[in-house]
Amino acid sequence: TQLLEQSPQFLSIQEGENLTVYCNSSSVFSSLQWYRQEPGEGPVLLVTVVTGGEVKKLKRLTFQFGDARKDSSLHITAAQPGDTGLYLCAGPPAGNNRKLIWGLGTSLAVNP
Amino acid sequence: DVKVTQSSRYLVKRTGEKVFLECVQDMDHENMFWYRQDPGLGLRLIYFSYDVKMKEKGDIPEGYSVSREKKERFSLILESASTNQTSMYLCASSLYRTGVPQHFGDGTRLSIL
Repeated sequence: TQLLEQSPQFLSIQEGENLTVYCNSSSVFSSLQWYRQEPGEGPVLLVTVVTGGEVKKLKRLTFQFGDARKDSSLHITAAQPGDTGLYLCAGPPAGNNRKLIWGLGTSLAVNP
Repeated sequence: DVKVTQSSRYLVKRTGEKVFLECVQDMDHENMFWYRQDPGLGLRLIYFSYDVKMKEKGDIPEGYSVSREKKERFSLILESASTNQTSMYLCASSLYRTGVPQHFGDGTRLSIL
């Protein structure tokens, strides 16, 4: 079974702290996407990583794709209350581009 | 920007009713998807469509059907609603058949009483 395991499941931090959330699998993925979902809304795409070892930055957010393309991380620097939400990773397994696998998400709360 | 519009944000129905959830996208995407999202279970794919009048079952199609008469519109139908179908329903569209990336609507929170 191809799974994407996200950790931690829940995270509550104070404004200004740094944090890292993880998306791990035992399978290789063609690419991984990160989405953020705010309460009462649909997920919104943040980034897609495609190449093993790739690092992408989006303001205070840094995304990394593992060298073996089995895992990814999201690091947030100086978190703000506006970063609060559910962070989801998803991707198509290598060799099966018609199937998108979703992680269960990390629920982040940034307290003022 | 891609706009995916779901017809209702909140919906309350009774068991046994036939329920229609509508989704419209404005970017001429061929690929559209219906998910349900439940705490602890994440996003689960119900049905998807790669073209007009074409549909394929996802991971949990039981109790649901879909209709795609026009490219921009993808409807989810609960044939006879049951309480275990109470959930958040999300529609998405994608330029690519892989579904990478997907553009989501704001969701319909459906309660079946």
